[in-house]
Amino acid sequence: EPEVTQTPSHQVTQMGQEVILRCVPISNHLYFYWYRQILGQKVEFLVSFYNNEISEKSEIFDDQFSVERPDGSNFTLKIRSTKLEDSAMYFCASSERRKETQYFGPGTRLLVL
Amino acid sequence: AQSVTQLDSQVPVFEEAPVELRCNYSSSVSVYLFWYVQYPNQGLQLLLKYLSGSTLVESINGFEAEFNKSQTSFHLRKPSVHISDTAEYFCAVILNNAGNMLTFGGGTRLMVKP
Repeated sequence: EPEVTQTPSHQVTQMGQEVILRCVPISNHLYFYWYRQILGQKVEFLVSFYNNEISEKSEIFDDQFSVERPDGSNFTLKIRSTKLEDSAMYFCASSERRKETQYFGPGTRLLVL
Repeated sequence: AQSVTQLDSQVPVFEEAPVELRCNYSSSVSVYLFWYVQYPNQGLQLLLKYLSGSTLVESINGFEAEFNKSQTSFHLRKPSVHISDTAEYFCAVILNNAGNMLTFGGGTRLMVKP
């Protein structure tokens, strides 16, 4: 069964450093998403991406964040200058159509020191 | 703004007992509803969904949920739980008149005891 994959599974970084989280969505899906879950809190929407552009973003997704689909298979989330409060589990998801089921990857646990 | 409330943060239950995990949402427009499950050290997996049609939806592993529009609820039930059902369960909605973002509840940790 096709699945969303994410790398790395864990990342530790120093405050102020740039990180890139990588995702490979399901191959025939057209919509891509990033969510995050700070420890003990709700899963929160960050951004959605369709047709090579951002279609929605939340207030969390400020200028420090960016997304890219550099080729036909990868979808990345970049945090330019990490803060302590960026420590969280980051989930990538994809869906075939709008308003349809979003399939999630296993997550990347980011720890900012 | 829409919100999703899962009233119980933890639900301990004995094996083979029935369970209900509650989910209420607030929205003035129609919604699509989902339950996701997260097993320890794994990602979010879709358990079941309501998009339209029959208000009672079922999963392959015995869970069911009923969309109740008047009570704005989408409670998850299972008549007899197994140890392997121990996990965190998340209710989530997508608004019909807005974008694609999922809004999640806070999660309910189901702990099945032998």
